[in-house]
Amino acid sequence: SAVISQKPSRDICQRGTSLTIQCQVDSQVTMMFWYRQQPGQSLTLIATANQGSEATYESGFVIDKFPISRPNLTFSTLTVSNMSPEDSSIYLCSVVGPLIGYTFGSGTRLTVV
Amino acid sequence: AQSVTQLDSQVPVFEEAPVELRCNYSSSVSVYLFWYVQYPNQGLQLLLKYLSGSTLVESINGFEAEFNKSQTSFHLRKPSVHISDTAEYFCAVMGISSGSARQLTFGSGTQLTVLP
Repeated sequence: SAVISQKPSRDICQRGTSLTIQCQVDSQVTMMFWYRQQPGQSLTLIATANQGSEATYESGFVIDKFPISRPNLTFSTLTVSNMSPEDSSIYLCSVVGPLIGYTFGSGTRLTVV
Repeated sequence: AQSVTQLDSQVPVFEEAPVELRCNYSSSVSVYLFWYVQYPNQGLQLLLKYLSGSTLVESINGFEAEFNKSQTSFHLRKPSVHISDTAEYFCAVMGISSGSARQLTFGSGTQLTVLP
């Protein structure tokens, strides 16, 4: 299965600032996704990162708040903009391999103060 | 669209006892099914998956799950648990349809706590 490197692993940020999370995969993958796991809760899909075009966002998530880039088949970034304490969560990158194997990055634990 | 229900948010069990973590799903199309495990302060790890073929799938650490299409269930079982199995377990489903984006829909999770 693919190996994902996600950075940073954790960060503490001030309210009103932005944080960009990077996801690097060791092989080319078609499907890349960004999930959010709020404290004590399950995972919620934020968006599908599309290579060379705008990301596809799920209900409740918008591009202005969570801009996503995917310049190629091995890399994507998620930015959490104008942060508030409600954005404190774990953010995870995920990819789908050729054998329908979903692999997750180790996550970025974000705390907004 | 798909949805997943994990009825038990917390399951405490004594070491070496059997355990079943329940998962039910709903979908208007065929599905692939997954169980993920999240150990404390770690990322998600795939435990096992059902794509096709035998409805009983097994993991390398003794867990198994059975796909029951008529009951739309994918319960996770282990005949004898260890302290090291303490973790959060997530059931997930992916709908299979042409043009689908293949994203996973997760259940709310079940915290398995194995007691000595």
